Amino acid sequence: DAGITQSPRHKVTETGTPVTLRCHQTENHRYMYWYRQDPGHGLRLIHYSYGVKDTDKGEVSDGYSVSRSKTEDFLLTLESATSSQTSVYFCAISERGFQETQYFGPGTRLLVL
Amino acid sequence: SQQGEEDPQALSIQEGENATMNCSYKTSINNLQWYRQNSGRGLVHLILIRSNEREKHSGRLRVTLDTSKKSSSLLITASRAADTASYFCATAFYNTDKLIFGTGTRLQVFP
Repeated sequence: DAGITQSPRHKVTETGTPVTLRCHQTENHRYMYWYRQDPGHGLRLIHYSYGVKDTDKGEVSDGYSVSRSKTEDFLLTLESATSSQTSVYFCAISERGFQETQYFGPGTRLLVL
Repeated sequence: SQQGEEDPQALSIQEGENATMNCSYKTSINNLQWYRQNSGRGLVHLILIRSNEREKHSGRLRVTLDTSKKSSSLLITASRAADTASYFCATAFYNTDKLIFGTGTRLQVFP
C-alpha cells in the first residue's frame, strides 16, 4: 500500500446522494485506476486515467465519473449512489501502462443504504 | 468471458505443505500476473511472467506458464500461516490493453 492512500476508508451513505472517493499517490506514476471488488466477480475496472485530465471508461462505468486534475490525485464520484454500488473500491497505479504491474491502495468500503 | 479462471476456488493445507493454484485463460496473452490479497487489504503484486517465459521464481514462489495449454500455476513451497490469503491471476490479453483479474483462490494455511 506504500505510496497510495484512499479516503475515506469507510463510508455509509444513503441512496440518491453523491459520493466522492479520493485516491492519492506519491509515486508520480502516470496511470491510475479505479476498481470495484464484489464477491464472485473479482476486480472490475470502473475508470482509468493515463495522464492529467486524460481518462477513459472501464468495464462497469455506468453511474460513475472520474476526474484527475493533478498527477497525484484521482477522484471517483458516484453521481447518485444506489444500493448496487455497495462494494469495496480499490485505487491502483502503474508506471508504464495498463498491462504492467499495478500497485493497489488499501481500499474504501462503501455501504449504500 | 476473457478473464482468467483460478482453480481451485478454495484450498486448505497445513503449514509446511506446498500449495498449488492454477489459472486458465482462453486467448493469447502478453503477460500473466499473480497477486495476493490479505483479508481486508489491497492486492499485492507477486510475480509477472511474460508470454515468452516459462518459469519465474521469487523466494518461496514459483510461477509457470504454458502458453500451449493456456494455463499458469503458482506454487508456494513450505507454506506458512502468514500465506493465508486470496490469490488472483490477472491476464494481459494480446488483443486488448486491459488487465483482467480472475475471481481468486482462497488459501487457508493451518498452523
